[in-house]
Amino acid sequence: AQTVTQSQPEMSVQEAETVTLSCTYDTSESDYYLFWYKQPPSRQMILVIRQEAYKQQNATENRFSVNFQKAAKSFSLKISDSQLGDAAMYFCACRGGGSNYKLTFGKGTLLTVNP
Amino acid sequence: EAQVTQNPRYLITVTGKKLTVTCSQNMNHEYMSWYRQDPGLGLRQIYYSMNVEVTDKGDVPEGYKVSRKEKRNFPLILESPSPNQTSLYFCASRKGTPGGNQPQHFGDGTRLSIL
Repeated sequence: AQTVTQSQPEMSVQEAETVTLSCTYDTSESDYYLFWYKQPPSRQMILVIRQEAYKQQNATENRFSVNFQKAAKSFSLKISDSQLGDAAMYFCACRGGGSNYKLTFGKGTLLTVNP
Repeated sequence: EAQVTQNPRYLITVTGKKLTVTCSQNMNHEYMSWYRQDPGLGLRQIYYSMNVEVTDKGDVPEGYKVSRKEKRNFPLILESPSPNQTSLYFCASRKGTPGGNQPQHFGDGTRLSIL
């Protein structure tokens, strides 16, 4: 079974500052994938960034980057130069590879961006 | 445009009145899935399908049925809805590449209220 834990129900950041959202996971799979999804007030689920567990290099997408610590089973999301449009609920998710297609989500972190 | 389409977007109904939420994708994806989102619980998987006529239970399947007669469609059926099924529902799809890191594409969500 997989579990994903987001220990910060809410976070806030000043516009243009940097914020880090925490995520830890547990899985018995040796081959798995990690994702961060953003859910703005429109309720859409938008993929922010993804990381293959076999890759040591941390994924980066523009202002979004991850700190993937495989041994610690940690997968944090860093948002640089925060913008008002970054305000949303953020979900961390883990999916096993191979025959296990299940995507397990954390409970989410609500990010507020203050002007 | 590649998309996952859910209908209806909103529905208010009464206990015991059968309802179906439709989901259709135009990306020829093998894998489709249904999730429900509840405050403080994140997204939880209801059912998933790895291909036509292949479906399996997720974490919270009680009270739901699904079918996958065509590759593009994956309806969610509530035979006798109850108030505890009031929730936000998401359909998702992705390519079924074994071990792939393909992200899931989500529909825009269906808000169900069971009175």
